[in-house]
Amino acid sequence: SQQGEEDPQALSIQEGENATMNCSYKTSINNLQWYRQNSGRGLVHLILIRSNEREKHSGRLRVTLDTSKKSSSLLITASRAADTASYFCATGLNAGNMLTFGGGTRLMVKP
Amino acid sequence: EAQVTQNPRYLITVTGKKLTVTCSQNMNHEYMSWYRQDPGLGLRQIYYSMNVEVTDKGDVPEGYKVSRKEKRNFPLILESPSPNQTSLYFCASSRGRGYQPQHFGDGTRLSIL
Repeated sequence: SQQGEEDPQALSIQEGENATMNCSYKTSINNLQWYRQNSGRGLVHLILIRSNEREKHSGRLRVTLDTSKKSSSLLITASRAADTASYFCATGLNAGNMLTFGGGTRLMVKP
Repeated sequence: EAQVTQNPRYLITVTGKKLTVTCSQNMNHEYMSWYRQDPGLGLRQIYYSMNVEVTDKGDVPEGYKVSRKEKRNFPLILESPSPNQTSLYFCASSRGRGYQPQHFGDGTRLSIL
């Protein structure tokens, strides 16, 4: 099974609302990353949080990491229709040399 | 412009006909990898390469080959494609180790009939 699991699998909100997506993982990590994928396109890196960090911000994005619960959340504030996409968490392991991706959350922001 | 370029973007072919998907990056990245994306299964890594002449298996390497003769190129080879290899394929690259942020290509949609 996958190292990272996103929740919910799909989320539909109105423009201007906040969107929160969660990611749980199973093993000790070096870092956790969030990516965005527009339909039919490649993934785009959004933000990386290291295992010794608890919170990170980038523009309208806020990521938290709780290593004791092996979970992370991505908050998109004041969402826009252009935020409609799939969002994936990916974990980088200490002992590994690769990223392991979760199944993604499909976000739809209605204008 | 920094980019990862994959070709072709779309390909429909038949079982058993060898094909190669090319991948090239212009960022002088050491690390390159191939993923496949399937509904309900997310992204799964096929092969990765730490540097020239260094490649290793990912989670789903069966039926695929790769080579890394030059730093910028990392082609994916399907020697005898089968229908279960129908998928959306992504090439990605990063500086240094594989757990650094990845730069992705726009994908190659393969259909094996």
